[in-house]
Amino acid sequence: DAGVTQSPTHLIKTRGQQVTLRCSPISGHKSVSWYQQVLGQGPQFIFQYYEKEERGRGNFPDRFSARQFPNYSSELNVNALLLGDSALYLCASSLGGASSYEQYFGPGTRLTVT
Amino acid sequence: EDQVTQSPEALRLQEGESSSLNCSYTVSGLRGLFWYRQDPGKGPEFLFTLYSAGEEKEKERLKATLTKKESFLHITAPKPEDSATYLCAAIMTGNQFYFGTGTSLTVIP
Repeated sequence: DAGVTQSPTHLIKTRGQQVTLRCSPISGHKSVSWYQQVLGQGPQFIFQYYEKEERGRGNFPDRFSARQFPNYSSELNVNALLLGDSALYLCASSLGGASSYEQYFGPGTRLTVT
Repeated sequence: EDQVTQSPEALRLQEGESSSLNCSYTVSGLRGLFWYRQDPGKGPEFLFTLYSAGEEKEKERLKATLTKKESFLHITAPKPEDSATYLCAAIMTGNQFYFGTGTSLTVIP
């Protein structure tokens, strides 16, 4: 079975631009979470979606937004990019529901802002 | 404040030299403690989930344990292919994952 897939793999953007990252969860998984990982740090939670509803939001500015589609895939949008947004963006999927917490990660999208 | 702390930051072991990685947490309403392995430039790979104090899980040379304040990842007779960064994460009420900064493990042949 296919794991979590993310696109694109790498991306280079200029300060002030906007970017959209995409994620497809494991088949049967209804929850998707987004994380930002800066080099040398652990992943930082950005958003969680379950059944198209936002279930959690981390401490990130409103420039970051996300949505989940009826097929459970998801997009992360970042507006007005800053140099500090350069990071590995990770998507994780899980079954969702009250007791299904195990998350499985995709390979990530490496975003470089110049 | 909810947080997860891992130690040591980096660990170098000779092949076959067993050791333990520590993950301490101050998270209210803990729902689960997770261990992941991450290779450079890749997404974290799921290893274990622990839900209650006293629980233990094993997989090949790895064994994870959980107490009320910390978790340990024991590595028995490691091999060079075990070299990676090991991350722990705690999920609390509200379903938010808190990750530690990881332990970078290097196993020398």
